[in-house]
Amino acid sequence: DTEVTQTPKHLVMGMTNKKSLKCEQHMGHRAMYWYKQKAKKPPELMFVYSYEKLSINESVPSRFSPECPNSSLLNLHLHALQPEDSALYLCASSQPGQGFSGQYFGPGTRLTVT
Amino acid sequence: AQSVTQLGSHVSVSEGALVLLRCNYSSSVPPYLFWYVQYPNQGLQLLLKYTTGATLVKGINGFEAEFKKSETSFHLTKPSAHMSDAAEYFCAVTNSGYSTLTFGKGTMLLVSP
Repeated sequence: DTEVTQTPKHLVMGMTNKKSLKCEQHMGHRAMYWYKQKAKKPPELMFVYSYEKLSINESVPSRFSPECPNSSLLNLHLHALQPEDSALYLCASSQPGQGFSGQYFGPGTRLTVT
Repeated sequence: AQSVTQLGSHVSVSEGALVLLRCNYSSSVPPYLFWYVQYPNQGLQLLLKYTTGATLVKGINGFEAEFKKSETSFHLTKPSAHMSDAAEYFCAVTNSGYSTLTFGKGTMLLVSP
């Protein structure tokens, strides 16, 4: 199974809402990632979890809050977002270190902030 | 630090013509290199990868790429383009810890009948 799943596929939220994005993988990978992608741009790394611990936070605003409940699940909690946060949010997983053989991406959540 | 340069933000080919998408990299450690494809409103799909071993790597959908250390290149090719190949293509290189990727800016492949 080489699939990474993400829910929901689409999300529209107001600037005062609280919502969560979910990601799941069953490939036994021990690293999971959140990316933000704007139209016609490459993905921008937001967070990396390695062995369920946050290892990289790319200076992301605190209105984005990641959580890794276990090795298969990754959440991104959203609160008080701005319209400029509208984007495609991608989750990925991989084996870290010398076992790294590429990141496997989910289909993404298209987020619109109104 | 690692970096990737993709020459050409758009490449146009006719159906049946050779596809060549260029990627040059900079890396302070032996690189692991990847090509990803992204169709509209979808995630990134891994096309092929070079980690160690054979420098000519074959991927899905008839694509292949050759790692050339002397030229610091990892160009993507396909002998004959199909309409279904129209998509955005990203080249990527690992960081020194082999845990994150640095992506190029992407190349949009346009295929005309």
